[in-house]
Amino acid sequence: DTGVSQDPRHKITKRGQNVTFRCDPISEHNRLYWYRQTLGQGPEFLTYFQNEAQLEKSRLLSDRFSAERPKGSFSTLEIQRTEQGDSAMYLCASSFMGEQYFGPGTRLTVT
Amino acid sequence: AQTVTQSQPEMSVQEAETVTLSCTYDTSESDYYLFWYKQPPSRQMILVIRQEAYKQQNATENRFSVNFQKAAKSFSLKISDSQLGDAAMYFCAPEYSGAGSYQLTFGKGTKLSVIP
Repeated sequence: DTGVSQDPRHKITKRGQNVTFRCDPISEHNRLYWYRQTLGQGPEFLTYFQNEAQLEKSRLLSDRFSAERPKGSFSTLEIQRTEQGDSAMYLCASSFMGEQYFGPGTRLTVT
Repeated sequence: AQTVTQSQPEMSVQEAETVTLSCTYDTSESDYYLFWYKQPPSRQMILVIRQEAYKQQNATENRFSVNFQKAAKSFSLKISDSQLGDAAMYFCAPEYSGAGSYQLTFGKGTKLSVIP
C-alpha cells in the first residue's frame, strides 16, 4: 500500500469554472476526511465520511462544494462556480480508528 | 468553538541541540487525542507523535517527546538531537470525538529551522 493518493496534484482554473478532485485512501481505512489549507495557516476541516456515509460537513463547505464517497472507497470533492477565495491546498486524509494519514494534496489556483 | 494556539510562529535550533514547541488548546471534552504533525516544504503532512488524553504518561517516539499537562490544556513537543531533516512546519492538532467525526483541529503552526 502506497498511502493516500490525490489527483490532480495541481489545478489552475478560471473563475466560474467547475473543478473536481479525487482522493484514494489507504485501502482498509473506513474514515475519510477533506481539509483545506491556505497559505500560512493550518488545515481546516471540511467534511468527513465513514464508509460511504457523509456524516459531517463544516460550515466552511458552502453550497458550491459537494463531496461523495461511492461504495466507501475513493472520494471526490467538487467545487462549482469557483471563486478566487477557493484558491488553497485541498488535503485528503484517511484513518481506521486511529491517527489520520494525509495525502499530498491538490493545489487549486483560481485566476 | 475549539481553539488551538501555537504561540511561536517561528523557531530555530542548532543541529544536535534540543528545541521545544508549545501548544495550548481549549476544550470542554474529557476524552480526546492529541497529535503533532510535521509538514516539510512542499511535502505532505506526516504524523510525528500521538498522545491519548486519558494517559498520564507522556508519549515518546525516538527523538520526539511530549509534555502533556491536561489541567493546563498544554501539549508541547520536544525534539532532541535536532537534525537537518527536522526543518518543517509543525502543527499541533487535537482530535475531539464529541461531534462524532474525529476531526482534527489544527493550530497555525510553528516553522522550525535547523541551523547546521
